[in-house]
Amino acid sequence: GQNIDQPTEMTATEGAIVQINCTYQTSGFNGLFWYQQHAGEAPTFLSYNVLDGLEEKGRFSSFLSRSKGYSYLLLKELQMKDSASYLCAVTGSQGNLIFGKGTKLSVKP
Amino acid sequence: GAGVSQSPSNKVTEKGKDVELRCDPISGHTALYWYRQSLGQGLEFLIYFQGNSAPDKSGLPSDRFSAERTGGSVSTLTIQRTQQEDSAVYLCASSGTERGQETQYFGPGTRLLVL
Repeated sequence: GQNIDQPTEMTATEGAIVQINCTYQTSGFNGLFWYQQHAGEAPTFLSYNVLDGLEEKGRFSSFLSRSKGYSYLLLKELQMKDSASYLCAVTGSQGNLIFGKGTKLSVKP
Repeated sequence: GAGVSQSPSNKVTEKGKDVELRCDPISGHTALYWYRQSLGQGLEFLIYFQGNSAPDKSGLPSDRFSAERTGGSVSTLTIQRTQQEDSAVYLCASSGTERGQETQYFGPGTRLLVL
């Protein structure tokens, strides 16, 4: 079967670093996406990893290990506006996207 | 430049009626996805178009749902004989490769309410 797991909720403090993990088991793999979604809004693209390793984009970094079926999204220097849901999604061999249920991150002052 | 646009932004319909939702992807993007998000739920994949290939319809919940993409650009998602459980936000996304990076962008969504 196909399965994407990520924690349901996380809480962190403004200015801190938080790591959101995602593990996946899918039939075929063609890349992994991370999205940010604020309540009531459409998801916003954050990153795409297809090769192993760390991709850094400003305060956000995403890591992928294909052999372990594992990814994480790292958020540094947390700001209150980073409070949102973070969705992990894997592209299967047919190009379809399989989403996790999302991690709701609450940033507290 | 223009992003992904969708219309209508909101749609209220009566149970049993047909609805048509439209998506205008970013120009040049070859891939187009439809999803829906019910209240409090995660994103649910519906259908995927890639270039001129046959679409991946594996996510369509029933045969009341269909989608087409004309000329490799605009897409319409049609729901026939709508049911109350079809109420959701329907999101369209298009993706392309920019500077060697696969990038996907979502439209603002169509909020569908079936009474």
